[in-house]
Formats: sequence, structure tokens, C-alpha cells
Amino acid sequence: SQKIEQNSEALNIQEGKTATLTCNYTNYSPAYLQWYRQDPGRGPVFLLLIRENEKEKRKERLKVTFDTTLKQSLFHITASQPADSATYLCALDNAGNNRKLIWGLGTSLAVNP
Amino acid sequence: GAGVSQSPSNKVTEKGKDVELRCDPISGHTALYWYRQSLGQGLEFLIYFQGNSAPDKSGLPSDRFSAERTGGSVSTLTIQRTQQEDSAVYLCASSPMGGNQFFGPGTRLTVL
Repeated sequence: SQKIEQNSEALNIQEGKTATLTCNYTNYSPAYLQWYRQDPGRGPVFLLLIRENEKEKRKERLKVTFDTTLKQSLFHITASQPADSATYLCALDNAGNNRKLIWGLGTSLAVNP
Repeated sequence: GAGVSQSPSNKVTEKGKDVELRCDPISGHTALYWYRQSLGQGLEFLIYFQGNSAPDKSGLPSDRFSAERTGGSVSTLTIQRTQQEDSAVYLCASSPMGGNQFFGPGTRLTVL
């Protein structure tokens, strides 16, 4: 069956450390994968998109990797700050046209000062 | 406005009543999506519009749920004869063709 999985347990890290979140999928062949941030009581906000032919994408303190062999994406936040505390969602496009994203349940990140 | 807007922000209704939720997408975005999110849960896809047509209605949980989009812009999600299990946050998102999704703030629906 098709699945997309993210760490279900909340991740707690110390300010200044690197946070690493995982997104694994099975029985999909996504053209690209996206990461979003969601704060309580708000809609998700787009962060990064990585295509199947890209190994890595960076944006400021954020880095995303995409391994289509392992069927895994890693999301890194370097020099983490308490303001980075939120739930992070991964979503993949199985049709290559963004008509319908398949969403993970998200991982909650808490950065402690 | 610059972003996706939704109204109302909160709706409390009695079981059995009908409700209408509205979404104003970003101007020029051809795709529009409705999702439902229960407390502590992931996003549940409901329906997708491309222009005014809905090529994918597979997520609508029952025939009490319907949605329409007019003029390639505003969309309304209607829930008839609401049930307590319909209580959730209803999120709308829009995107340009092939782009990432931009979400509205959501409508929190409470069915008593």
C-alpha cells in the first residue's frame, strides 16, 4: 500500500543545534516533494520544493535532501532558534503536476532556549 | 488582499443545520483545494478545482459535502445536515499551475 511517514514523536532540541526531520514514502514515484511549516491555529506555509532529479536544496538555514532510491527526504534546520518551533509537514506529488499532494502527518519540533 | 482568505474564521452550528464555508484564492491561481484537519491530525484532502471544474472529488467524505467554484475564483464548501464528526478546521489553498500551495487561515467549524 502507499504510505508517507514522518517521525510521529515530537523532536526536542537545544537552540543552536541542527534539527533533522525525516519523511519516508513507499509505493510512490514523486516528481517532487515539498516541505511546509504549520503553526498552531494557522494554515501550512510553504518552505521548500525539491525535484526528483535534485539531491539537495538550500534556503538560508534550511536544507532538504531527496533520495529516490531510499525513498526518503531529510529536512534540516541549522543553527535552530526557538522561533523555529512548529510542526513540519512533507508532501509529495505523485502525478507530476501538483494536482493533488499526498501529505504526511507532520513532525512537531520544539527548540528550547 | 495578497493571500488566501477564508470566511468565517469560526462557525458554531447545531447538528442538522447546513453550513457554507467560503474561500477567496490568490488572484490568478488556477488551482484551488479544500482540506480538513481535525485536532492533532494531518491534512485530509477533500476536493480539488482546476478553474471551475473539479477533476478530483475523491476526498469528499459523504454526499452531504459539496463544493463549487465560480468565475475561476471564489469557492464555497457546503456541508448539509451537519454532524458532530464534521467538527474540524477546514483549510483552503490555491496554487498557480505546477506551483506550491498557499493556504488560508482556515475556518474552525464546531457542530454542537
